[in-house]
Amino acid sequence: GQQVMQIPQYQHVQEGEDFTTYCNSSTTLSNIQWYKQRPGGHPVFLIQLVKSGEVKKQKRLTFQFGEAKKNSSLHITATQTTDVGTYFCAGPGDGAGGTSYGKLTFGQGTILTVHP
Amino acid sequence: ETGVTQTPRHLVMGMTNKKSLKCEQHLGHNAMYWYKQSAKKPLELMFVYNFKEQTENNSVPSRFSPECPNSSHLFLHLHTLQPEDSALYLCASSQEGPGIHEQYFGPGTRLTVT
Repeated sequence: GQQVMQIPQYQHVQEGEDFTTYCNSSTTLSNIQWYKQRPGGHPVFLIQLVKSGEVKKQKRLTFQFGEAKKNSSLHITATQTTDVGTYFCAGPGDGAGGTSYGKLTFGQGTILTVHP
Repeated sequence: ETGVTQTPRHLVMGMTNKKSLKCEQHLGHNAMYWYKQSAKKPLELMFVYNFKEQTENNSVPSRFSPECPNSSHLFLHLHTLQPEDSALYLCASSQEGPGIHEQYFGPGTRLTVT
């Protein structure tokens, strides 16, 4: 079945440093979503990428979708303590978007800690 | 955020107990989901309901029994659970159709099986 892998599993940074997490799928994806889960909280949707090579920015966050639509990355510039949490990528359960409406396969997440 | 609510927030139950988790979404969505989140594991999709019909059951043991009486409510009935079932159970909803299908998660029920 489809697998979505994320690296690294953990990342500790000093406040002000940059952070990147990478997501790789075993199959081509029709789209990819990113979620953030704060400690003790629940996943919250950040963004969806659809097009090959797409780049989207949200303030200090930059999201990229690979040309082959099998990988994605999230880059945070100049991290702040409010960025602490687990970042998940998720792809459609059947990869290229067939009949598994709504089903998402999540990566295992990257846990980000930021030292002030 | 009150779009998706879950009760109870915390639950401790013995292995012989029967309990139910409740989820309600106030977003007018047509799809609802149950996920299990254990320490150091990715989010595991358990069940999917689309227009009240169960469309996915990811080989979940029969001691977990979902119920979706309408598009706004979702239950997870629990009986004779095992200690390894202790986890955070998250409910989510989404609007399926053209466009972005982001999922909105509830706060979760932290379940401890003793």
